[in-house]
Amino acid sequence: EAQVTQNPRYLITVTGKKLTVTCSQNMNHEYMSWYRQDPGLGLRQIYYSMNVEVTDKGDVPEGYKVSRKEKRNFPLILESPSPNQTSLYFCASADQGMHGADTQYFGPGTRLTVL
Amino acid sequence: KQEVTQIPAALSVPEGENLVLNCSFTDSAIYNLQWFRQDPGKGLTSLLLIQSSQREQTSGRLNASLDKSSGRSTLYIAASQPGDSATYLCAVRPGYSTLTFGKGTMLLVSP
Repeated sequence: EAQVTQNPRYLITVTGKKLTVTCSQNMNHEYMSWYRQDPGLGLRQIYYSMNVEVTDKGDVPEGYKVSRKEKRNFPLILESPSPNQTSLYFCASADQGMHGADTQYFGPGTRLTVL
Repeated sequence: KQEVTQIPAALSVPEGENLVLNCSFTDSAIYNLQWFRQDPGKGLTSLLLIQSSQREQTSGRLNASLDKSSGRSTLYIAASQPGDSATYLCAVRPGYSTLTFGKGTMLLVSP
């Protein structure tokens, strides 16, 4: 089954404790992206990657890191989490169409709470 | 900077009604527009993708139109059902690989 998986689905942590949220897709998509969703602010893009070893900042990259060493994986790293990073995080992947990323497929989300 | 607005923010209708959800964007220079559905506590499911050169796309009871010059898109849902209850999100691709979302319309279809 074609899917985007994220782990963990739920995470409660404390300020400053490094964490990684994994994302994996089995559709051989070149494009992958991370978003956060907050009440009243909607979905905002954190980082995206157009291919292996190619990453770029989205609208809200501060406090986050990503890496794309393999095509199928795109982990999101919070080196020193803070309470304002408490949010619902989504990973997505897409084919690269003629004009860039095409239909995006989303993972189930990771609910992160930073105390 | 591209901004996407969805009206109304919430909508409640009885089962069987035809309805229209609206999406507007400030910059008409987009690659495509995508409509998503999000169920409570769940991820996003892509419903329809309209490329900038297209005027509309249809899937079952859903029809999405795009008027790029006026910065508008509509999602038409025919013969609504309780199972259509969800939040509907509109997203435009203003750059080669970025995606800008509206805040969504929360739809409730009552039996």
